Amino acid sequence: AQTVTQSQPEMSVQEAETVTLSCTYDTSENNYYLFWYKQPPSRQMILVIRQEAYKQQNATENRFSVNFQKAAKSFSLKISDSQLGDTAMYFCAFMRMDSNYQLIWGAGTKLIIKP
Amino acid sequence: DTGVSQNPRHKITKRGQNVTFRCDPISEHNRLYWYRQTLGQGPEFLTYFQNEAQLEKSRLLSDRFSAERPKGSFSTLEIQRTEQGDSAMYLCASSWTGDSPLHFGNGTRLTVT
Repeated sequence: AQTVTQSQPEMSVQEAETVTLSCTYDTSENNYYLFWYKQPPSRQMILVIRQEAYKQQNATENRFSVNFQKAAKSFSLKISDSQLGDTAMYFCAFMRMDSNYQLIWGAGTKLIIKP
Repeated sequence: DTGVSQNPRHKITKRGQNVTFRCDPISEHNRLYWYRQTLGQGPEFLTYFQNEAQLEKSRLLSDRFSAERPKGSFSTLEIQRTEQGDSAMYLCASSWTGDSPLHFGNGTRLTVT
């Protein structure tokens, strides 16, 4: 069975700093997707970034980038030039590429950006 | 694209009562998912639909839970004989295909007293 581990329950950085959130996963699959979702306080879950396992190039979306290490089963999220609006819970999720396409979620990291 | 809509936003009920939640997905999305999220945890999968067909149910979904998606549009999640352990945020999400990103609603927060 797949598992997703986020080892940092909470992190706090100053505005404009760079922060990296860690995520490791366990699977015997070779093809899968990895995601980072953001859930601001009392607001809906939104997709931050997606990585296909077959792609060696790390995904990037503006200030958000990932460091995908397939052999190590590691998928960290880097947020550059952090902003107050980045304060949220961040969830790492794994998706098998089979007929169900189910997401397996980590427990989340609470990120606080301080002014 | 008006996004995924869930109603109600909050529901407080007494133990033993039945509750029903509604989810309106993004109109062109074929897949609809229900998740449960407790405080400080990631979402837990409950069930999903491909159009009107319910294709999988988690073992978390006891016989007190039932979900429907008539005509492949909106979906309802009913919990019968609610228990205090049912208190959680119930999230609905939809997607165009199986491997496309999920779009989430704001959730329905259930409190069972």
